[in-house]
Amino acid sequence: SQTIHQWPATLVQPVGSPLSLECTVEGTSNPNLYWYRQAAGRGLQLLFYSVGIGQISSEVPQNLSASRPQDRQFILSSKKLLLSDSGFYLCAWTGLVGAYEQYFGPGTRLTVT
Amino acid sequence: GNSVTQMEGPVTLSEEAFLTINCTYTATGYPSLFWYVQYPGEGLQLLLKATKADDKGSNKGFEATYRKETTSFHLEKGSVQVSDSAVYFCALTPISSGSARQLTFGSGTQLTVLP
Repeated sequence: SQTIHQWPATLVQPVGSPLSLECTVEGTSNPNLYWYRQAAGRGLQLLFYSVGIGQISSEVPQNLSASRPQDRQFILSSKKLLLSDSGFYLCAWTGLVGAYEQYFGPGTRLTVT
Repeated sequence: GNSVTQMEGPVTLSEEAFLTINCTYTATGYPSLFWYVQYPGEGLQLLLKATKADDKGSNKGFEATYRKETTSFHLEKGSVQVSDSAVYFCALTPISSGSARQLTFGSGTQLTVLP
């Protein structure tokens, strides 16, 4: 069966510091991968998605970036965090067939101080 | 473009009450429809799905029927439990979404079930 991991689970970082969040998927090949941010407790904002290694599409211009160095690894980064980057970051994957439902990881709670 | 409109919350019910959370959508083509649930501090879990008109998705006592004529996918449960307290999201993905397969989400509905 497929599983998706995210780490770290929680992170407290000062303004201006760098960021690296990692997401890995097991049990599937060539998935689509997605990064979302959830602020204010509810709404989901799609940040990036990737349909293959090295292929990144950005949905919202900001100081975040994403990379996909391996088929099942997706990384979210920033060179300098802002207070507004605080939130709950979720990674998700979807497969090549079926209804294209997305499966989500457990999330990373980021607090920028 | 695609959009999902769901019932504004919060919704507060007593245990064993009947639940309905309304969801309507706008999409080109024939989308797949989903309900996700998010428990506090956790990621989203797929609750149920439907891929064509008149399909009924069901899981854990929850049901939703794909109504193309009313572009709706309302979530129902006959008898809620305290453990159902969570945020519920309605979502869609168009079959013709190409390789991106992006989901469009509703804004979420907070459900609280009181004992």
